[in-house]
Amino acid sequence: SQQGEEDPQALSIQEGENATMNCSYKTSINNLQWYRQNSGRGLVHLILIRSNEREKHSGRLRVTLDTSKKSSSLLITASRAADTASYFCATGDMRFGAGTRLTVKP
Amino acid sequence: GAVVSQHPSWVICKSGTSVKIECRSLDFQATTMFWYRQFPKQSLMLMATSNEGSKATYEQGVEKDKFLINHASLTLSTLTVTSAHPEDSSFYICSASPLTAPYGYTFGSGTRLTVV
Repeated sequence: SQQGEEDPQALSIQEGENATMNCSYKTSINNLQWYRQNSGRGLVHLILIRSNEREKHSGRLRVTLDTSKKSSSLLITASRAADTASYFCATGDMRFGAGTRLTVKP
Repeated sequence: GAVVSQHPSWVICKSGTSVKIECRSLDFQATTMFWYRQFPKQSLMLMATSNEGSKATYEQGVEKDKFLINHASLTLSTLTVTSAHPEDSSFYICSASPLTAPYGYTFGSGTRLTVV
């Protein structure tokens, strides 16, 4: 069974804009991870945030975690066409949400 | 580092035959590997957790006799789809993490299975 849900399910933006994706989960967690998947490929780990962390940065990525609301968000700043992919969150037990399909138009 | 190799990347087989998919950690050891199934434009559905040296833990609704998982070493887990049928056609992906967790998991590149 899946752990949670991302929203929106699909997001289309122009290059240079910021993209925000949200993830909600159902149970207590030790950590939450964000992954990216290009069409028909495996997943690439982007960032892991532990349950005692509230915010984490990696390059153009910013992840926040609110354990009281059981939610996390992934912000991609200054998006590029190459950021076009599906983005998933996963809880520590490696169950994935539905994902957000991001399209960045050049 | 932390590379997972999955083989084959695609396979076409006839109904009724069995197909084996390998998931190998190339530069680290993994006591646990995960197997997923993904339908087009959908998320990854966890099928089972593969534990080295012991039986796999299957998710509810996944037939363990149909999807045989073997994790005989710290670097290799295999998924065998037995007596495959067209409805088994899907994208199968494995993942693993170094023993020194918690780090992000590394995924194989996936196997596209088509049963005709």
